[in-house]
Amino acid sequence: GAVVSQHPSWVICKSGTSVKIECRSLDFQATTMFWYRQFPKQSLMLMATSNEGSKATYEQGVEKDKFLINHASLTLSTLTVTSAHPEDSSFYICSARAPMGRGADEQFFGPGTRLTVL
Amino acid sequence: AQSVTQPDIHITVSEGASLELRCNYSYGATPYLFWYVQSPGQGLQLLLKYFSGDTLVQGIKGFEAEFKRSQSSFNLRKPSVHWSDAAEYFCAVGAGSSASKIIFGSGTRLSIRP
Repeated sequence: GAVVSQHPSWVICKSGTSVKIECRSLDFQATTMFWYRQFPKQSLMLMATSNEGSKATYEQGVEKDKFLINHASLTLSTLTVTSAHPEDSSFYICSARAPMGRGADEQFFGPGTRLTVL
Repeated sequence: AQSVTQPDIHITVSEGASLELRCNYSYGATPYLFWYVQSPGQGLQLLLKYFSGDTLVQGIKGFEAEFKRSQSSFNLRKPSVHWSDAAEYFCAVGAGSSASKIIFGSGTRLSIRP
């Protein structure tokens, strides 16, 4: 199957700093990527949909100025948590949607990034 | 609105026993349904999916699921579990055009008793 990587796998930062998380599709081009947030022992909550070359679409209740998403290329999307606070601590997971003809309508998930804000 | 319910938070079964994880969905049209498994330190892995056609879907690792429209269910089954099946299992429904959004259930944690 297709491979999606995330970097870093874990990060600890101080309150008030910004953190950038990268999501890469390694062997396919992804016009659409998704960002999820997962709290401990809970489900994945979709935060936003990232389309290459255009602004991200955020789900209701997600602060777009807090969670900046950039999808500058067909293989890379970044999520920047700005002015992070302890309540932003979570597990962030990205996924990339395969193009038509290759597991169409299937999303491939990255391994996730554990963010801890002190 | 679309939603997915997994009524069992945690299930423990003996190794070699059969398994059934329950999933109910709420969706107006014909749903795109998925089962994913999440192991510690690893990403979500797709076990199987249903878009249309045969309502009994075969997946990887010996899993299968049956779509029952009348019951709005998509339960996951395995005839004989292995210790390596211990993980978190998520049922999900695709929403929007081409299932571009995925809405996850709350998950069921599976433990295996030796």
